[in-house]
Amino acid sequence: QSGLTQPASVSGSPGQSITISCTGTSSDVGSHNLVSWYQQHPGKAPKLMIYEATKRPSGVSIRFSGSKSGNTASLTISGLQAEDEADYYCCSYATSSTRVFGGGTKLTVL
Amino acid sequence: QVQLQESGPGLVKPSQTLSLTCTVSGDSISSGSVYWSWVRQPAGKGLEWIGRIYTSGSINYNPSLKSRVTISVDTSKNQFSLKLSSVTAADTAVYYCAREEKLTGTSWYFVYWGQGTLVTVSS
Repeated sequence: QSGLTQPASVSGSPGQSITISCTGTSSDVGSHNLVSWYQQHPGKAPKLMIYEATKRPSGVSIRFSGSKSGNTASLTISGLQAEDEADYYCCSYATSSTRVFGGGTKLTVL
Repeated sequence: QVQLQESGPGLVKPSQTLSLTCTVSGDSISSGSVYWSWVRQPAGKGLEWIGRIYTSGSINYNPSLKSRVTISVDTSKNQFSLKLSSVTAADTAVYYCAREEKLTGTSWYFVYWGQGTLVTVSS
């Protein structure tokens, strides 16, 4: 069970849009839409931002959106704000009801 | 509002067993359609899923840790626990407990998290 692949870092200016990719295999990301995304600020617990690849929990800004194609899921943040600066992790169901996380992506708002 | 709080020793010696407890407040640990999970994060690194337990007793473990991990529930105390045996320095991490909720028909997601507790493995 290998971890999902994410870029180590991305950056963008306030108001811009950024996209973070999450690449897995046909055994995890590619086999279903059960991908989620978590935001983690320094020293804090992760927070669910997207589930089932494209759905937003209540209370999460509409600036956050998710998509998936084949073995790759993506998180897009539009209208970047300073408060979006954080680490982002994707997570997928894998075989036998297990979970696998991505390595994490550090988002810097310039 | 559901709250989770991890507790346990912050320092464990190599080869010993790491034991943590997660106390749940705001809801019964026997609530249906939820999983109680453990996730860890070494300093400066990413999240690693350890395992989860359903209130019916169904358990799933990370295959890479399965031989050393035990997760259990104590409904009388509204707690669930993690035991990780034969620890090494590589097990040093912040350990989070979390509650997975069924947000769609077939899948659960980490909705509630504890604040995390640092466990250091060192002699």
